[in-house]
Amino acid sequence: QVQLQESGPGLVKPSETLSLTCAVSGFSISSGYYWGWIRQPPGKGLEWIASIYHTGITSYNSSLKSRVTISVDTSKNQFSLKLGSVTAADTAVYFCARQEVGLRAQYWGQGTLVTVSS
Amino acid sequence: QSALTQPPSASGSPGQSVTISCTGTSSDVGGYNFVSWYQQHPGKAPKLMIYEVSKRPSGIPERFSGSKSGSTASLTVSGLQAEDEADYYCSSYAGSNNVVFGEGTKLTVL
Repeated sequence: QVQLQESGPGLVKPSETLSLTCAVSGFSISSGYYWGWIRQPPGKGLEWIASIYHTGITSYNSSLKSRVTISVDTSKNQFSLKLGSVTAADTAVYFCARQEVGLRAQYWGQGTLVTVSS
Repeated sequence: QSALTQPPSASGSPGQSVTISCTGTSSDVGGYNFVSWYQQHPGKAPKLMIYEVSKRPSGIPERFSGSKSGSTASLTVSGLQAEDEADYYCSSYAGSNNVVFGEGTKLTVL
């Protein structure tokens, strides 16, 4: 059974960098698929942030591209997100997901709330 | 990338059917048969209910169905049940390995 688990600081100061990791179990990242990050501000809708193919090919939401880096560590079977120069608008629940054909998110992590505040 | 347009709310009585629309453009919904629908209960991660416009993942009841006409996709929930009350989001592949989500619809079972 594929399982994903997000981890990282729950509180980040404005202008700093948000860093999250998604640990994958039950499936080897190096075997395939896209792996992505999706966020949801409190009380609002879902927003795709970025995805990475198991080979390292990346794609980013154009509205966040200048601040986002996604990477994969196949040796640890995990992938990561870095979002720089954060503001209060980046406060959200961040989900990681395994994305399949058409980038549908078949498997999701439980999500982790990241609050941007001083 | 602009969010796909969904009605903010929808409702129906138990046993009835309700349809939620998802309108995009020729660059996303209208251009690809990669529309997905997700169900999200409060405090939970979204759950994939429909993919590739009308396919259901294993374990999803036949009461959930999807369709598409032009740049508008639709999710129909038949035989509404209390547990169907949730937020529903559509998403579409938008080319160049990009995906866009809908604004979300809150479904209320009366």
